[in-house]
Amino acid sequence: AQSVTQLGSHVSVSEGALVLLRCNYSSSVPPYLFWYVQYPNQGLQLLLKYTSAATLVKGINDFEAEFKKSETSFHLTKPSAHMSDAAEYFCAVSENSGNTPLVFGKGTRLSVIA
Amino acid sequence: DAEITQSPRHKITETGRQVTLACHQTWNHNNMFWYRQDLGHGLRLIHYSYGVQDTNKGEVSDGYSVSRSNTEDLPLTLESAASSQTSVYFCASKGDTGEQYFGPGTRLTVT
Repeated sequence: AQSVTQLGSHVSVSEGALVLLRCNYSSSVPPYLFWYVQYPNQGLQLLLKYTSAATLVKGINDFEAEFKKSETSFHLTKPSAHMSDAAEYFCAVSENSGNTPLVFGKGTRLSVIA
Repeated sequence: DAEITQSPRHKITETGRQVTLACHQTWNHNNMFWYRQDLGHGLRLIHYSYGVQDTNKGEVSDGYSVSRSNTEDLPLTLESAASSQTSVYFCASKGDTGEQYFGPGTRLTVT
């Protein structure tokens, strides 16, 4: 069975500082991996996805994530945090690009301090 | 533009009542999903469908049902609402590229 662990339910960074949100996955087959962002009172928006092509994936708003098979990790980073990045971030895994539902981590709330 | 909508956006109901949450997508996706979001639990899968007349149970399906009579809609029914079903409910659809597209959510309160 697949699973996702997000380390840290709440991360706080200063504006302009590096953002690092951690995600580790478990999957018996090569995974498809996703990061979603949820702003208050909104649905989830896709930030980026890994689908077995390049291991370094670039997404929207200067976010990127690196797939490391040896560490079963897919950490999300952004070089410089903006106030507008404050949101809930979810990592998700799927077995393939087809039918299988995404399995989500419990989320990490990012706070950005001025 | 294609989209996925949910209605109502907010609902208050009483314990024991039947409630139906609507989900409509114009992506023409075969795959549709219902999740609930609760603090500390992230998103948990309730039911999903791979196409018309197909339904499957997810992780937390007890007390919920779905039906799929066409490609665009997957309504979620709470047969007899319980306080434990107070939550935010998200519908999603998924195409061939793998990512899921989410609706804006329905906030349900069971009193």
